[in-house]
Amino acid sequence: QVQLQQWGAGLLKPSETLSLTCAVYGGSFSGYYWSWIRQPPGKGLEWIGEINHSGSTNYNPSLKSRVTISLDTSKSQFSLKLSSVTAADTAVYYCARANVGYRYYYMDVWGKGTTVTVSS
Amino acid sequence: EIVMTQSPATLSVSPGERATLSCRASQNVDSNLAWYQQKPGQAPRLLIYGASTRATGIPARFSGSGSGTDFTLTISSLQSEDFAVYYCQQYNNWPPVTFGQGTKVEIK
Repeated sequence: QVQLQQWGAGLLKPSETLSLTCAVYGGSFSGYYWSWIRQPPGKGLEWIGEINHSGSTNYNPSLKSRVTISLDTSKSQFSLKLSSVTAADTAVYYCARANVGYRYYYMDVWGKGTTVTVSS
Repeated sequence: EIVMTQSPATLSVSPGERATLSCRASQNVDSNLAWYQQKPGQAPRLLIYGASTRATGIPARFSGSGSGTDFTLTISSLQSEDFAVYYCQQYNNWPPVTFGQGTKVEIK
């Protein structure tokens, strides 16, 4: 059974860089897209971006200038960096596995979430 | 970017009753739609993809329908564990994947 374990700094100051990592346990790293999604307090879900096993990335255009998603296949880990954070980036950040194919795309395995607060 | 609009924002239902949740896309997404359930303090859980295909382990009381711009998630007989927030998500025009703002199903 695939599990995702995520970690990273939970408290940042404005202008700092958010950095989170997600490790994949119990399953193949290849054949999927590995995604980041966030959820501001009391609000809905926002897709941040994703990376596949070969390193190809897709980003949300609204965040693209500040986001970098990378992977370390040797460790079955992928990471998120979000630069120049502001209070608007305060959210619970989730990593997830996306199954992507012809006419389907669904996120079926999720990490537990990391709460990130941006405050001076 | 495709905007997903869910209605109602909150749905009050008694246990055992049927719940019908709606999701509308700002443009055609064919059947490229998924539904997720989220309980407080938990990550979302995949329910439906391809507009109507139940994910592994999802009870048959959950069903999805629709195509194009209008979609419905139906819970045929609400159980206590079904009270949660439900999100639709399109992937027809991706990236980006976009979510609706959610419908909260609460106990009446």
